[in-house]
Amino acid sequence: QSALTQPASVSGSPGQSITISCTGTSSDVGGYNYVSWYQQHPGKAPKLIIYEVSNRPSGVSNRFSGSKSGNTASLTISGLQAEDEADYHCSSYTSSSSLGVFGTGTWVTVL
Amino acid sequence: EVRLVESGGGLVQPGGSLRLSCAASGFTFSSYWMSWVRQAPGKGLEWVANIKRDGSGEYYVDSVKGRFTISRDNAKNSLYLQMNSLRAEDTAVYYCARDSGIALEDYWGQGTLVTVSS
Repeated sequence: QSALTQPASVSGSPGQSITISCTGTSSDVGGYNYVSWYQQHPGKAPKLIIYEVSNRPSGVSNRFSGSKSGNTASLTISGLQAEDEADYHCSSYTSSSSLGVFGTGTWVTVL
Repeated sequence: EVRLVESGGGLVQPGGSLRLSCAASGFTFSSYWMSWVRQAPGKGLEWVANIKRDGSGEYYVDSVKGRFTISRDNAKNSLYLQMNSLRAEDTAVYYCARDSGIALEDYWGQGTLVTVSS
């Protein structure tokens, strides 16, 4: 099972909005609404920020939002803040495996 | 408060073995599937294995099948990963994670580093 494709890096200025893409196939992202997003600061464990494409767990800022179109899921961070500088990983259910599949990861830089 | 605490990582020679443990607290451990996810240095995340609530079924990524065994002890609120025939490419931080849905990990431990090198 190949990893989902994410851009290696995305950057933005404080207050701006950025969008991170996560591209898969009809066997994973495109076929099911089981896409999640995780935020990971350096040296820390991943933290769930979006599940089932667009749902936010309790306590996660509403500046984070998720969506999906075809085989590509997207994470948008609005009102970018310095604390948002981190790695972001998508994941999806896949019919090709009994386990899920993660994306390649995207580093977000706040300029 | 949900807590997952891994232990057992370290330096091991190629071909060697290690057993990772994960101590869970703050939730009913026996009600959840559990997973091990790893992250090689500078790389993305990779599911390694997961296990059903009662331990009756386990699933593995192809690269570890036949070498790694996931298990759990619900009486001790603990998850384990027995790793045999270790290879350099198994070098990674190994995270214990709670499954709360389909391909969904809602809580993670802090991770334990496994380094396979001679």
